[in-house]
Amino acid sequence: NAGVTQTPKFQVLKTGQSMTLQCAQDMNHNSMYWYRQDPGMGLRLIYYSASEGTTDKGEVPNGYNVSRLNKREFSLRLESAAPSQTSVYFCASGSDTYQPQHFGDGTRLSIL
Amino acid sequence: KNEVEQSPQNLTAQEGEFITINCSYSVGISALHWLQQHPGGGIVSLFMLSSGKKKHGRLIATINIQEKHSSLHITASHPRDSAVYICATRFGNEKLTFGTGTRLTIIP
Repeated sequence: NAGVTQTPKFQVLKTGQSMTLQCAQDMNHNSMYWYRQDPGMGLRLIYYSASEGTTDKGEVPNGYNVSRLNKREFSLRLESAAPSQTSVYFCASGSDTYQPQHFGDGTRLSIL
Repeated sequence: KNEVEQSPQNLTAQEGEFITINCSYSVGISALHWLQQHPGGGIVSLFMLSSGKKKHGRLIATINIQEKHSSLHITASHPRDSAVYICATRFGNEKLTFGTGTRLTIIP
């Protein structure tokens, strides 16, 4: 009954550090997504993967990279973290493109 | 550009009250989603609809395509319904556009 699992749940980084957010889904969904959620703004799409082996930029891709490791896993990497990347990050999956159905619990990331 | 506006931004009500949350959008859409974000942060998809009305338990979602408007209703509200409710729309084959959410608080 796991659905979409994100790790870690919380992380504090210093400016310039790198890290990878992990996401895995066990529903055999083709599509996976990374969103960020900032106060006063709706969820914004960072990157998505319509199927294994493909990734595409979303609305706010700058400063991020992604890897669709296999059908289950979709990771988000910050190569050189900046304070503007302080946010809550959500991974989601779905059977159709642009139709996220299940969301992870989020990763609260603070960049100092 | 598709824009999504929700009202009210915040809503406080007494347990048992009938709740209505509104969502308006600016262009014709192919689908509209309602999501619930729990106080702990997790997001759950409640409904996806493109016309008419859907019902699940005490939750009812309606959409008026001509007026570009959708409503989410909660009957017999309960404190456990306290959450942020998010509307999102899809225009054609484009990505979802999310509203900023309505924070609902139900007081016992």
